[in-house]
Amino acid sequence: EPEVTQTPSHQVTQMGQEVILRCVPISNHLYFYWYRQILGQKVEFLVSFYNNEISEKSEIFDDQFSVERPDGSNFTLKIRSTKLEDSAMYFCASSQTGIHQPQHFGDGTRLSIL
Amino acid sequence: AQRVTQPEKLLSVFKGAPVELKCNYSYSGSPELFWYVQYSRQRLQLLLRHISRESIKGFTADLNKGETSFHLKKPFAQEEDSAMYYCALSGDNQGGKLIFGQGTELSVKP
Repeated sequence: EPEVTQTPSHQVTQMGQEVILRCVPISNHLYFYWYRQILGQKVEFLVSFYNNEISEKSEIFDDQFSVERPDGSNFTLKIRSTKLEDSAMYFCASSQTGIHQPQHFGDGTRLSIL
Repeated sequence: AQRVTQPEKLLSVFKGAPVELKCNYSYSGSPELFWYVQYSRQRLQLLLRHISRESIKGFTADLNKGETSFHLKKPFAQEEDSAMYYCALSGDNQGGKLIFGQGTELSVKP
């Protein structure tokens, strides 16, 4: 069964550094998402992406965050200048269509900001 | 406001006992409700969705629009059901974002 893959599984970065989290969605899926889960808290929506543009973003997704689909397979999340509070598990997900469709999740990237 | 509430952080039952994991939601339109499960060291995966009305691994969930609930039930819990369970809502927005509850850890003891 096809899966969403995320790399790296764990990223340790100094505060203020840029970090890029990578995801390869399922190949015939058209909608892509990033979520994050701070330790002990709920999974929170960050951004959805369709047709090469952001379709929705949360208030967490400020100017420090950006997403990109640089080629036909990768979907990346960039945090420009990381803060301590960006430490979390980041999940990528994809779905065939958007509204009301189940999403397939990757294993996540654990981001630790020092 | 859009919100999903799972009141129990931890639910502990014995094998063979019935299980009910509670989920309440707040949404003004017509949402789609899901249950996702995360087994130890595995990814979040879809367990079931209300629109399909199916039973997966013996679990069922009924959408009660009057009580705005989507509780997950299983008549006889098994040890392999031990996992983290998340209730999630997808609204009418085209983007398809999911709003998650806090999650309930189900522990099934032998």
